[in-house]
Amino acid sequence: DTEVTQTPKHLVMGMTNKKSLKCEQHMGHRAMYWYKQKAKKPPELMFVYSYEKLSINESVPSRFSPECPNSSLLNLHLHALQPEDSALYLCASSPDRTSGYEQYFGPGTRLTVT
Amino acid sequence: GQNIDQPTEMTATEGAIVQINCTYQTSGFNGLFWYQQHAGEAPTFLSYNVLDGLEEKGRFSSFLSRSKGYSYLLLKELQMKDSASYLCAVRGVDSGGYNKLIFGAGTRLAVHP
Repeated sequence: DTEVTQTPKHLVMGMTNKKSLKCEQHMGHRAMYWYKQKAKKPPELMFVYSYEKLSINESVPSRFSPECPNSSLLNLHLHALQPEDSALYLCASSPDRTSGYEQYFGPGTRLTVT
Repeated sequence: GQNIDQPTEMTATEGAIVQINCTYQTSGFNGLFWYQQHAGEAPTFLSYNVLDGLEEKGRFSSFLSRSKGYSYLLLKELQMKDSASYLCAVRGVDSGGYNKLIFGAGTRLAVHP
């Protein structure tokens, strides 16, 4: 199984809502990542978890709150978002942060903030 | 600083060959990746180079010159389904000494009949 799954595929939320994005992998990978991608732009790294511990926060606003409940799951909790936060949110995983292996990306969640 | 440059857009004809170039300047180097991304979909892995030279995988080949900070992706026998964005990504080193994937802006390739 070389798949990273993400739910939901699409999400529309108001600026006062609280929602969560979910990511799951069963490849035994110990590094998991959240990226944000705007249209026609490359993915921008938001957070990195290594062995269930947050190891990188790329100065992401606190309205985005990551959580890694176990080695297979990664959540991104959203609260009080702005319209400019509308984007494709990609989850990825790799065996670990130091290996030379590629990152496997999930299909993404298309988020629209109204 | 970290900088990865690749052309914004390219067009090519079905059945032809196209070369997408990528130049980079990064803090540390631990490999270069090429990903393909169709509109609205996740990036999918195409190739990985860590040593100088050419890696061939079917219709796709990738070349690396570390001394020149240069790579290219070569696509042969182009098909319509190859119309996508191609992302060059370098595994550099962040301030904590760990590997970090840095993406270029991507090259949008349009294949015409």
